[in-house]
Amino acid sequence: QVQLQESGPGLVKPSQTLSLTCTVSGGPISSGRYYWSWIRQPAGKGLEWIGQIYISGGTNYNPSLKSRVSMSVETSKNQFSLKLTSVTAADTAVYYCVGEEIGFDPWGQGTLVTVSS
Amino acid sequence: DIVMSQSPDSLAVSLGERATINCKSSQSILNSSNNKNNLAWYQQKPGQPPKLLIYWASTRESGVPDRFSGSGSGTDFTLTISSLQAEDVAVYYCHQYYTTPQTFGQGTEVEIK
Repeated sequence: QVQLQESGPGLVKPSQTLSLTCTVSGGPISSGRYYWSWIRQPAGKGLEWIGQIYISGGTNYNPSLKSRVSMSVETSKNQFSLKLTSVTAADTAVYYCVGEEIGFDPWGQGTLVTVSS
Repeated sequence: DIVMSQSPDSLAVSLGERATINCKSSQSILNSSNNKNNLAWYQQKPGQPPKLLIYWASTRESGVPDRFSGSGSGTDFTLTISSLQAEDVAVYYCHQYYTTPQTFGQGTEVEIK
């Protein structure tokens, strides 16, 4: 059973870059079964899809974030990553890494990233 | 972007009674290539990630109790909990995966009356 775990700094200063990594266990990230996505959720609010990456390296990003987002996959480490540049307080949220086959499943537990000086 | 609108924002239902949540998309999410609606439902409990309940608008995920059912087509969809249990208290989200950016409804909070 595939499981996901996010890691990265919990505090990022405004204007800096948010960097998160998702480690996949229970199966190879290169299986081709899943698109690998990032979704975020501000406290007490709804879900926002950030984007997705496939094992081929192909990506789709939310246009609302496209100018600041990049995703990558490192198959040797069974990981995929998110970078979000020029962060502001509005980027404070719980960030989830997620596998997508039909619908989003499985999910990581989520990691809270706070943007503050 | 496809806007997903859920109603109501919250509802209180007695234990054992039916709970109905509606989701409307701003355009059809019926996939003509397979005649399936690209619509999923999730349950989120406090402090937990969302859990996939239903996909293709009406296909229950493995392990999901059969009191959860999904219906609808085109732009109008419904999640029904046929007999509310205490463990069903949660926020429920609909999600369209018809096109990018993938979008979610704002969520419906279900509580016990």
